[in-house]
Amino acid sequence: EPEVTQTPSHQVTQMGQEVILRCVPISNHLYFYWYRQILGQKVEFLVSFYNNEISEKSEIFDDQFSVERPDGSNFTLKIRSTKLEDSAMYFCASGTGGFTEAFFGQGTRLTVV
Amino acid sequence: QKEVEQDPGPLSVPEGAIVSLNCTYSNSAFQYFMWYRQYSRKGPELLMYTYSSGNKEDGRFTAQVDKSSKYISLFIRDSQPSDSATYLCAMSGGGSTLGRLYFGRGTQLTVWP
Repeated sequence: EPEVTQTPSHQVTQMGQEVILRCVPISNHLYFYWYRQILGQKVEFLVSFYNNEISEKSEIFDDQFSVERPDGSNFTLKIRSTKLEDSAMYFCASGTGGFTEAFFGQGTRLTVV
Repeated sequence: QKEVEQDPGPLSVPEGAIVSLNCTYSNSAFQYFMWYRQYSRKGPELLMYTYSSGNKEDGRFTAQVDKSSKYISLFIRDSQPSDSATYLCAMSGGGSTLGRLYFGRGTQLTVWP
């Protein structure tokens, strides 16, 4: 069964460092998303991406964040200068474009120290 | 932001019990309603989705949406220990990007043998 894969599963970084979280969406999907979940809190939308551009972003997705689809298979989230409050589980998701189905990856746990 | 409210539990039931999970929401523009299941250290997995009001059944699971009350429910019949997980409600629609989901906090369910 096709799945969304994310690497690494856990990333520890020092405050102020740049991190890149990687995702390989399901191959025939056209819509890509990043969500995050701070421990004990809701899963929160960060950004959606379609046709090589951002479709929508939340208030969380400020200038420190960027996304890219550098080739036909990868989808990345970059955080330029990490803060302690960026520590969270980051989920990539992909979908065919309906309102309904977003398939989530296993997540990358980011720990900023 | 209190768009979607969900009692975090925990909820603990014996095997075979009927489980009722629910969420309330404030945004009347939501049109698509989903239930995700999340196991520890995993990404959310889509269980069911419903468009607008009404019921939908899939095996032991029944999803109900009452838009007039802004209230959605998930019922699990004949619950099994393997149903032990966190259940997240999610919603979308109302002009946001296709696939932008607003999640509840999740209800942690334990089904004991």
